[in-house]
Amino acid sequence: EAGVAQSPRYKIIEKRQSVAFWCNPISGHATLYWYQQILGQGPKLLIQFQNNGVVDDSQLPKDRFSAERLKGVDSTLKIQPAKLEDSAVYLCASSLTAADTIYFGEGSWLTVV
Amino acid sequence: GENVEQHPSTLSVQEGDSAVIKCTYSDSASNYFPWYKQELGKRPQLIIDIRSNVGEKKDQRIAVTLNKTAKHFSLHITETQPEDSAVYFCAAYNFNKFYFGSGTKLNVKP
Repeated sequence: EAGVAQSPRYKIIEKRQSVAFWCNPISGHATLYWYQQILGQGPKLLIQFQNNGVVDDSQLPKDRFSAERLKGVDSTLKIQPAKLEDSAVYLCASSLTAADTIYFGEGSWLTVV
Repeated sequence: GENVEQHPSTLSVQEGDSAVIKCTYSDSASNYFPWYKQELGKRPQLIIDIRSNVGEKKDQRIAVTLNKTAKHFSLHITETQPEDSAVYFCAAYNFNKFYFGSGTKLNVKP
């Protein structure tokens, strides 16, 4: 079974620039998550989709972060403008339903300089 | 919302020894508790999980115990090997959301 695919794997940008990350979940998984993982910490949920609807975006900094999941499959996470504190790994994950096991992608490593 | 605390933050053991990592949660409605292993630069991977109707689950050298009354669950690794070195995360699930602990860095010394 193919896993969760993410791209790009690594990105270095200057502060105030923009960046976009793409995620393709496991086929058939209705729930998609974006997590932010800062070095040495556990994953922090940014946004959770059920199909193409948002279930939870309470911790998404909406002044600079946006995410969409058109057609209920792939998703993109955008940061604009980036700040130094956005340097982190952005993990996409998916699950069959919201109550099922979460499977993570390899992550997109962002460094803001 | 749920609050998951994980201890210790770092753990160093000698190869062959056992390792125990403990998580506590605050919401008694939480009913599913997975454990993830994350090697450096890799994705978190599920290694074992337990649901609230079970007190213990074992898979070879790995076991998880759950105490619903005390609201804590623990990961037990026996006969540790150098390849067990990684960061381990616990999580608790309720009301369609997963809440993660802050992680434990396990170092197994050969």
